[in-house]
Amino acid sequence: QVQLQQSGPGLVKPSLTLSLTCAISGDSVSSNSAAWSWIRQSPSRGLEWLGRTYYKSKWYNDYAVSVKSRITIKPDTSKNQFSLQLNSVTPEDTAVYYCARVDWSSGWQPFDYWGQGTLVTVSS
Amino acid sequence: DIQMTQSPSSLSASVGDRVTITCRASQSISSYLNWYQQKPGKAPQLLIYAASSLQSGVPSRFSGSGSGTDFTLTISSLQPEDFATYYCQQSYSSPRTFGQGTKVEIK
Repeated sequence: QVQLQQSGPGLVKPSLTLSLTCAISGDSVSSNSAAWSWIRQSPSRGLEWLGRTYYKSKWYNDYAVSVKSRITIKPDTSKNQFSLQLNSVTPEDTAVYYCARVDWSSGWQPFDYWGQGTLVTVSS
Repeated sequence: DIQMTQSPSSLSASVGDRVTITCRASQSISSYLNWYQQKPGKAPQLLIYAASSLQSGVPSRFSGSGSGTDFTLTISSLQPEDFATYYCQQSYSSPRTFGQGTKVEIK
């Protein structure tokens, strides 16, 4: 059974960096049959996919255009986890942030496992 | 980006009712359509993938259909634990996009 455990601060000051980590159990961040994503949810934007990291002989990243200039998603193979960094945050980045696994084994790529969610508030 | 539009935005129904939610994609996505259920304070949970394949452990009263641009989620007999918000999501192309959600409330 795959489990994703999120950690990170719930309050970030404007202009600073939001940092969250997602620890994986029951699978590997280096799996060839999965990708590892970050998704956020807010009343104004709904569910918004932010980006993913995955391994196919080498590491790849793929980001949403809306945050591409500010986002980094990085795997940490030594700890079997991946992280989200979002720079220069504003109050519009206030949301519940989720990590999620993309299952590639069927070819249809649903988000089949999710972290518990972290409410991140951007405020001074 | 592919836009996903759900209807209705909310509905009221009684236990035992048959409920249908629709999702329309702004362009053809073949069968790359997934459905999720979300309860308050919880992460979304995968119900159906590939438009009509039931995720392991999901009750058989949930079913999905459609291909191309038009899709349907049906709950054959609504149970008390089914009152929640439902989202469709396309996995055809990047960026992955979600519908705005359909809230199923108790009548």
